[in-house]
Amino acid sequence: QKEVEQDPGPLSVPEGAIVSLNCTYSNSAFQYFMWYRQYSRKGPELLMYTYSSGNKEDGRFTAQVDKSSKYISLFIRDSQPSDSATYLCAMSRDDKIIFGKGTRLHILP
Amino acid sequence: SQTIHQWPATLVQPVGSPLSLECTVEGTSNPNLYWYRQAAGRGLQLLFYSVGIGQISSEVPQNLSASRPQDRQFILSSKKLLLSDSGFYLCAWRIAGVPYEQYFGPGTRLTVT
Repeated sequence: QKEVEQDPGPLSVPEGAIVSLNCTYSNSAFQYFMWYRQYSRKGPELLMYTYSSGNKEDGRFTAQVDKSSKYISLFIRDSQPSDSATYLCAMSRDDKIIFGKGTRLHILP
Repeated sequence: SQTIHQWPATLVQPVGSPLSLECTVEGTSNPNLYWYRQAAGRGLQLLFYSVGIGQISSEVPQNLSASRPQDRQFILSSKKLLLSDSGFYLCAWRIAGVPYEQYFGPGTRLTVT
């Protein structure tokens, strides 16, 4: 079983819709939970991070962590074409960050 | 401010040839350094990481190796490339003790023919 599982998509939604992206994990040692965004042919960039279970909001983005279920989510409200990218969940333990495969998201104008 | 450099940007190499990719970081000291490979359908795979000069941890065996000859320099090498080594290679750095944010370089797209 992989440490971090993420559906690669692609996921296509119309502009203005709410997007839900999810990951599951198996290792209870993970401490921080992150979402990175990657545009084509670029390196990933940190979007949000959380430490504990619960919700964290930043503008149109909400990150949710449920440690009891080993499940994390990213919600994007009022999605825009500029949100089209690959979103990677990531989790840290020791000196490493382990990434999910990434979900390709297309926001249709 | 901190900057990470990676070169070359693209590379086409024949099977069996050697490889050397270089990454340097500016504006910080004693960073944690990482090499990742991103291939279609396989996500971002951690290859090597280093917490200090000469300290290399390998996540993926096989025909790749890494070295850290200076504090802010990280090199990925291979003596003989395989077709399966094709992919997008990303170098990243992180401040030691900050576990959630890594800064990625622009990447090298390697095609082995």
